[in-house]
Amino acid sequence: DIQMTQSPSSLSASVGDRVTITCRASQGISNYLAWFQQKPGKVPQLLIYAASTLQSGVPSRFSGSGSGTDFTLTISSLQPEDVATYYCQKYNSAPETFGQGTKVEIK
Amino acid sequence: QVQLQESGPGLVKPSQTLSLTCTVSGDSISSGYFYWSWIRQPPGKGLEWIGYISFSGDTYYNPSLKSRLTISIDTSKNQFSLRLSSVTAADTAIYYCAKEAPFIPAGVWGQGTMVTVSS
Repeated sequence: DIQMTQSPSSLSASVGDRVTITCRASQGISNYLAWFQQKPGKVPQLLIYAASTLQSGVPSRFSGSGSGTDFTLTISSLQPEDVATYYCQKYNSAPETFGQGTKVEIK
Repeated sequence: QVQLQESGPGLVKPSQTLSLTCTVSGDSISSGYFYWSWIRQPPGKGLEWIGYISFSGDTYYNPSLKSRLTISIDTSKNQFSLRLSSVTAADTAIYYCAKEAPFIPAGVWGQGTMVTVSS
């Protein structure tokens, strides 16, 4: 099975900072990569699918890139409401494995 | 707007079977080429994909759970269900149901239901 590895596992940044989270697949998955945001105590929400397509309603400060095995989620200007854990997920085929998550905090 | 709602016992004894149902409203579970998924999250940990079922009943399971897992669909009730047998404390988690569209992963989630495995 394909494994998904995120880095870092956590980060602390200041409001307005540019934040980058990476996700690496152990085998190529084309662009079948999604990013989810889970705020504390809340249900996960789909942010990005097809590696770079923003889900409806998601702020434009979020962006995704990559293809094959290496992917990136970028928050261009971190806001207090972005405090959350972010997960990548591959969905080219079952099992649709998640990464282990990246916790984003405000410094 | 489609909504999903999980239901089932909040407490299950070790070695017994965990059974949950997801009721879909605002859409027909048999309309379109959607996949109906189960995802879980142990307390304080990350997300684990459990499996999904298509509108036609095709199932795909996480290999780590496959021997204990059954996902089924009841189009007459607009519901799909999860059964996980021989549970242990490691199966304690929030269980979510979700809807996947073609080429778009879990875009709609239920609120989740906490299941504790304990005697």
